[in-house]
Amino acid sequence: EAQVTQNPRYLITVTGKKLTVTCSQNMNHEYMSWYRQDPGLGLRQIYYSMNVEVTDKGDVPEGYKVSRKEKRNFPLILESPSPNQTSLYFCASSSSGTGYEQYFGPGTRLTVT
Amino acid sequence: AQSVTQPDIHITVSEGASLELRCNYSYGATPYLFWYVQSPGQGLQLLLKYFSGDTLVQGIKGFEAEFKRSQSSFNLRKPSVHWSDAAEYFCAVAVVNKLVFGAGTILRVKS
Repeated sequence: EAQVTQNPRYLITVTGKKLTVTCSQNMNHEYMSWYRQDPGLGLRQIYYSMNVEVTDKGDVPEGYKVSRKEKRNFPLILESPSPNQTSLYFCASSSSGTGYEQYFGPGTRLTVT
Repeated sequence: AQSVTQPDIHITVSEGASLELRCNYSYGATPYLFWYVQSPGQGLQLLLKYFSGDTLVQGIKGFEAEFKRSQSSFNLRKPSVHWSDAAEYFCAVAVVNKLVFGAGTILRVKS
């Protein structure tokens, strides 16, 4: 089954404790992206990757890092989380950039206290 | 800058009634447009998309949307709403390397 998986689905952590949210897709997609969803703001892009070792900032990259060492994986790293990063995070992948359908993961709800 | 506006934050309709969710976009070129649905506690599911061609597009679950270039709109419609349609709906436009989403419309269905 074609899918995007994220782990963990739920995470409660404390300010400053480094964490990683994993994202994996099994569709051999070149393009992957991270979004955060906040009430009243919709989804906003954090980072994206056009292919292995090619990443770039989205609209709200501050406080986040990513890496793309393998085509299927695109982890999101919060090196020093803060309460304003409490949000719902989605990973997405696509075969041809944003002109084509993006497949979304199930989401990771992060709470930073 | 590219943007998507969904004017209605909440909409309540009776089960069996028709539905229209509004979406207006701002984008200089020919847009690629999408509607996604998010059920409570779930991820995003693609309802339908417009790339080119026929301006009336059909999607899953009985939804359709009409692209109107002159009005910069891409409204979502359904002739008869079911209780299971209660969810949050997002309109999005594809720009370089990302989707730009509207703020979402929460649909409530009353029986």
